[in-house]
Amino acid sequence: AQSVTQLDSQVPVFEEAPVELRCNYSSSVSVYLFWYVQYPNQGLQLLLKYLSGSTLVKGINGFEAEFNKSQTSFHLRKPSVHISDTAEYFCAVMTLNGANNLFFGTGTRLTVIP
Amino acid sequence: KAGVTQTPRYLIKTRGQQVTLSCSPISGHRSVSWYQQTPGQGLQFLFEYFSETQRNKGNFPGRFSGRQFSNSRSEMNVSTLELGDSALYLCASSSGPTDTQYFGPGTRLTVL
Repeated sequence: AQSVTQLDSQVPVFEEAPVELRCNYSSSVSVYLFWYVQYPNQGLQLLLKYLSGSTLVKGINGFEAEFNKSQTSFHLRKPSVHISDTAEYFCAVMTLNGANNLFFGTGTRLTVIP
Repeated sequence: KAGVTQTPRYLIKTRGQQVTLSCSPISGHRSVSWYQQTPGQGLQFLFEYFSETQRNKGNFPGRFSGRQFSNSRSEMNVSTLELGDSALYLCASSSGPTDTQYFGPGTRLTVL
């Protein structure tokens, strides 16, 4: 079985400050890892993904994430946030056992304060 | 390339009715997955279709069903609607198994 834990349900941060959104996962098989963002009344937009190779992954809008296998973590970071980054962020895993479905965390609501 | 499209965007139904939601994947994508998003349960996998065959199914009752057509378009159907079926239903397409999934804007279903 697999599970995804997003440790913070809400993260307020001032504009231009750095932010880290935490994600830990549990799986008995190898996984791919993803971060998606959801703006109000919209679907999910892919921010970045880790499939293999370099553990530091760069995504859109200045976001990056680091895969840490020993700590089973995939934390999302941005050095300087903007008002437009206010949204819900979801960490997800996909197992490499042929099942093409994503398991999502409960989401982290990022609020950027002017 | 056009993204994933879902119709309708909003639906209001009453208990006991049935509903059909439609999803058109990105051109060339053959895999379509459906997810339910609610405030209480979060994002949950419903089922996945690949080349007109259901390959994988989540833990939902038989009232939830789906199908995929030869052009990869997919529909999901919910029969005998319950209040708890009120949710945002998201469709995602990918080019194949374990490939990145791209999501549509969702259909917001409200059951009264």
